[in-house]
Amino acid sequence: GQNIDQPTEMTATEGAIVQINCTYQTSGFNGLFWYQQHAGEAPTFLSYNVLDGLEEKGRFSSFLSRSKGYSYLLLKELQMKDSASYLCAVKDSNYQLIWGAGTKLIIKP
Amino acid sequence: IAGITQAPTSQILAAGRRMTLRCTQDMRHNAMYWYRQDLGLGLRLIHYSNTAGTTGKGEVPDGYSVSRANTDDFPLTLASAVPSQTSVYFCASSDSSGADEQFFGPGTRLTVL
Repeated sequence: GQNIDQPTEMTATEGAIVQINCTYQTSGFNGLFWYQQHAGEAPTFLSYNVLDGLEEKGRFSSFLSRSKGYSYLLLKELQMKDSASYLCAVKDSNYQLIWGAGTKLIIKP
Repeated sequence: IAGITQAPTSQILAAGRRMTLRCTQDMRHNAMYWYRQDLGLGLRLIHYSNTAGTTGKGEVPDGYSVSRANTDDFPLTLASAVPSQTSVYFCASSDSSGADEQFFGPGTRLTVL
């Protein structure tokens, strides 16, 4: 079967750094996405990795290791507005997205 | 219209009733998708359409049907609603069925009693 695993919930402090991990087992791999979803809102795109390595975009970075079936999202200089759920999704061999259940990130002052 | 719109925003429905959730996009994207999102579970694909005139089944298609008569609209119909279909429904679109990111509508919160 296909499976995406990420922690259910994480807590971090404003101004700090947090790393959200995602491991996956899918039938084929055509890229990994990270989305942000604030409570009661739609998911919005954060990053896309298809090759191994680190992609940096401002305060957010995403890393991929295809051989390990592993990715992480790194958030720096945390702000209160970063409190949200972070969704990991893998595009499988049929080019359909398989979604993790999401990691709820709580930021404390 | 800018992006993707969904209607209604929320709905309470009696079991056994028929309901159509509407989705319209103005980005001229080829591919469109319907997901449901339930607490503790990831987004689950119900149906998708890679281009106008074609549709396909996702992970959880039972009890739902879709049509894609044109590029912009992708309605989702529940023929006879059941309480297990209580969920938040998101419509999404992408430029192709390949590597492009998906853009999501604001969602429809559906409660079936």
